Amino acid sequence: SAVISQKPSRDICQRGTSLTIQCQVDSQVTMMFWYRQQPGQSLTLIATANQGSEATYESGFVIDKFPISRPNLTFSTLTVSNMSPEDSSIYLCSVIDSTSGNTIYFGEGSWLTVV
Amino acid sequence: GENVEQHPSTLSVQEGDSAVIKCTYSDSASNYFPWYKQELGKGPQLIIDIRSNVGEKKDQRIAVTLNKTAKHFSLHITETQPEDSAVYFCAAKRGGSGYALNFGKGTSLLVTP
Repeated sequence: SAVISQKPSRDICQRGTSLTIQCQVDSQVTMMFWYRQQPGQSLTLIATANQGSEATYESGFVIDKFPISRPNLTFSTLTVSNMSPEDSSIYLCSVIDSTSGNTIYFGEGSWLTVV
Repeated sequence: GENVEQHPSTLSVQEGDSAVIKCTYSDSASNYFPWYKQELGKGPQLIIDIRSNVGEKKDQRIAVTLNKTAKHFSLHITETQPEDSAVYFCAAKRGGSGYALNFGKGTSLLVTP
């Protein structure tokens, strides 16, 4: 299965600042996604990271707040901009692994606390 | 997005007993249904998945059943062990060409020795 690495794994951020989360995969993948998991909650899709083009955002998420880059087939970044305490969540990178029948895997997550 | 309902929200069983978690979905175009286990402080770990062309899949103590007509699927864990204690999420792939998932709200499973 694809191995997904996220950085940072955890961080404590000041209100009003921005933080960029990196997602690195050990193999080329066709599709990458970013999910958010608020404390004690389920996972919600933020956007699909498209290689070479703008990300596709879900309702309720906008590019100005969550800019995403995907420069190649193994790497993506998610920025959480102008953070507020409500942004305290786990941010998860997910990929489609075509070598294992299009199975969907998740990274270990980036645990952000905004103070 | 389309809904995925998951029940129960909490489940407590004794070691050695079986645990069953049920999910229903509304998107009739969904054709891929993974289950994830999330331990405290970790990301979701895929434990089993099923596609719409089969009705059941088993992997050692874990099995998943799918009823496409009724739009529900279930996770079965037999001979539970304390290390099975975690939050379990069901998910359904959205219809269409993409692979985004809609998730259930999760089931907190506690296996007591």
